[in-house]
Amino acid sequence: GQSLEQPSEVTAVEGAIVQINCTYQTSGFYGLSWYQQHDGGAPTFLSYNGLDGLEETGRFSSFLSRSDSYGYLLLQELQMKDSASYFCAVRPGNQGGKLIFGQGTELSVKP
Amino acid sequence: NAGVTQTPKFRVLKTGQSMTLLCAQDMNHEYMYWYRQDPGMGLRLIHYSVGEGTTAKGEVPDGYNVSRLKKQNFLLGLESAAPSQTSVYFCASSYSKARGGIQPQHFGDGTRLSIL
Repeated sequence: GQSLEQPSEVTAVEGAIVQINCTYQTSGFYGLSWYQQHDGGAPTFLSYNGLDGLEETGRFSSFLSRSDSYGYLLLQELQMKDSASYFCAVRPGNQGGKLIFGQGTELSVKP
Repeated sequence: NAGVTQTPKFRVLKTGQSMTLLCAQDMNHEYMYWYRQDPGMGLRLIHYSVGEGTTAKGEVPDGYNVSRLKKQNFLLGLESAAPSQTSVYFCASSYSKARGGIQPQHFGDGTRLSIL
């Protein structure tokens, strides 16, 4: 089958750094994406890794190791507004842009 | 530029009733998707479309039908609603080709559907 695993909850304080891990088992792999969702609203795209290594976008970075079927999202200089759910998603094939989503990690940022 | 618009935002149905959820996008995206999200779970793909007049099954297609008569619209139908279909439904769209290696999906605000 196809599955993604990520922690269900993470708590951190304002200004800190937090890492959300994602491991995957899929029949194919065309990249790992990360999405953010506030309070059950529309998920929004954060980052994408198609190749091994680190991608940086402002305070957010994402890492991928295809040999380990593993990736992570790194959030630096945490702000209260970063409290949200974060989903990793794998594109298992090169057809139709389909994504398989993890169950999500709820990040709580405390003052 | 509205992005992805879903209607209605909320709906309560009785078991056995039918309804159609509407999704419209104004970004000229080729691909469109319907997901459901249940508490504590990620998004699960119901059906998707790679272009006008085409549809395909996702992970959890049973009990749902879809149609894409126009490029900008993707309709999700429940022919005979069941309590197990109580969920939040999200529509998304994307380009068919990655731009700069990225092919993000753009989501609507969701439809909260309760089946009694």
